[in-house]
Amino acid sequence: EVQLVESGGGLVKPGGSLRLSCAASGFTFSNAWVSWVRQAPGKGLEWVGRIKSKSDGGTTDFAAPVKGRFTMSRDDSKNTLYLQMNSLKTEDTGVYYCAIGKFDSSGFDYWGQGTLVIVSS
Amino acid sequence: QSVLTQPPSASGTPGQRVTLSCSGSSSNIGINYVYWYQQLPGTAPKLLIYGNNQRPSGVPDRFSGSKSGTSASLAISGLRSEDEADYYCGAWDDSLSGVVFGGGTKLTVL
Repeated sequence: EVQLVESGGGLVKPGGSLRLSCAASGFTFSNAWVSWVRQAPGKGLEWVGRIKSKSDGGTTDFAAPVKGRFTMSRDDSKNTLYLQMNSLKTEDTGVYYCAIGKFDSSGFDYWGQGTLVIVSS
Repeated sequence: QSVLTQPPSASGTPGQRVTLSCSGSSSNIGINYVYWYQQLPGTAPKLLIYGNNQRPSGVPDRFSGSKSGTSASLAISGLRSEDEADYYCGAWDDSLSGVVFGGGTKLTVL
């Protein structure tokens, strides 16, 4: 059974940093392109970015609002994905989900339960 | 503002057929696959449709997807009370080099 479990959320002040983790199981993590999707309170879904598998270059892509502030990395030996968030803004507040797709990397069959990030002074 | 446009709300009565729309452009829906998600309150989204019109295993055939040009639709037939949820469309956008979503449609079953 595919499982994605996010952790690391919490309360942080504007300008601060936070690192989220996504622990995966039930599939070959090293082959997966993994995305982060966030949802502000009462709002819709917003794609944050993705990391490709190492065999496909291991590169990352990010949405414009987070480019230059967020980075992503993966540890295939631990089946874990990381999202490093720096220079956080109040508008980064929301639930952060990691997600993967079976069909292709732009759609998401499996989602974690999400971790809440609150950026507030 | 979301890149894909969805009506904020829709409604129907039990047993009815409803269609939810999603409008995009030539850089997203026009050339890439469309996905549909259902989100119940307090839960993660669930994939309903992939590849424009394919259902993952376990999704009832009451749900169907279609695409024409730069627009897509999700049809739900035999509406049930448990279908009351938020529905989102998504697609890759070649101009933005990222996944884009619609703002979501809140479906109410009257």
